Amino acid sequence: NAGVMQNPRHLVRRRGQEARLRCSPMKGHSHVYWYRQLPEEGLKFMVYLQKENIIDESGMPKERFSAEFPKEGPSILRIQQVVRGDSAAYFCASSADIQTEAFFGQGTRLTVV
Amino acid sequence: DQQVKQNSPSLSVQEGRISILNCDYTNSMFDYFLWYKKYPAEGPTFLISISSIKDKNEDGRFTVFLNKSAKHLSLHIVPSQPGDSAVYFCAAREYTGTASKLTFGTGTRLQVTL
Repeated sequence: NAGVMQNPRHLVRRRGQEARLRCSPMKGHSHVYWYRQLPEEGLKFMVYLQKENIIDESGMPKERFSAEFPKEGPSILRIQQVVRGDSAAYFCASSADIQTEAFFGQGTRLTVV
Repeated sequence: DQQVKQNSPSLSVQEGRISILNCDYTNSMFDYFLWYKKYPAEGPTFLISISSIKDKNEDGRFTVFLNKSAKHLSLHIVPSQPGDSAVYFCAAREYTGTASKLTFGTGTRLQVTL
């Protein structure tokens, strides 16, 4: 679990600002997943990426949200023009391949004020 | 459309007794099931998993049972310990050959009392 690094741990943004959440997968992992947990709810799948490719973004809101996993550097989840409803815990997970267990980071708690 | 359901939001068990956490699913395309444990302000930690071709998997104090015909799985913890107090999430994987994703239940908060 400690191998997946997310930063920042806490992020406060005013309505209309942009939020950028970073995720460095475990060493040797090339598959990254982003999940969102709203208060009192389970984790909801957002997007699945491999290096430089978005494989499945069926859980991503159609507007304002985007994700990337460049060849070099961490995966980025970007939320433009944040609204109060975006306040949630955002978790990143990584796996070595498509069929092995995914390990989660500690999450980024986004608060929109 | 909740494809993975954990109908008990909370469970309280005495130390030393058995904890049984339940999970139901609706999607027959799920091929792998996992249980994660989550402490406050931390990410989920993988606990135990089971393939859809099996009906039981055991790891120390933790056993997961799968009933495919009923689309039901359960996690047994015995004996329960105070350190087991956490939120437990059931997750199911749908693997399409080129992509996979986990669908989570809403969690069950387990409290192990002394």
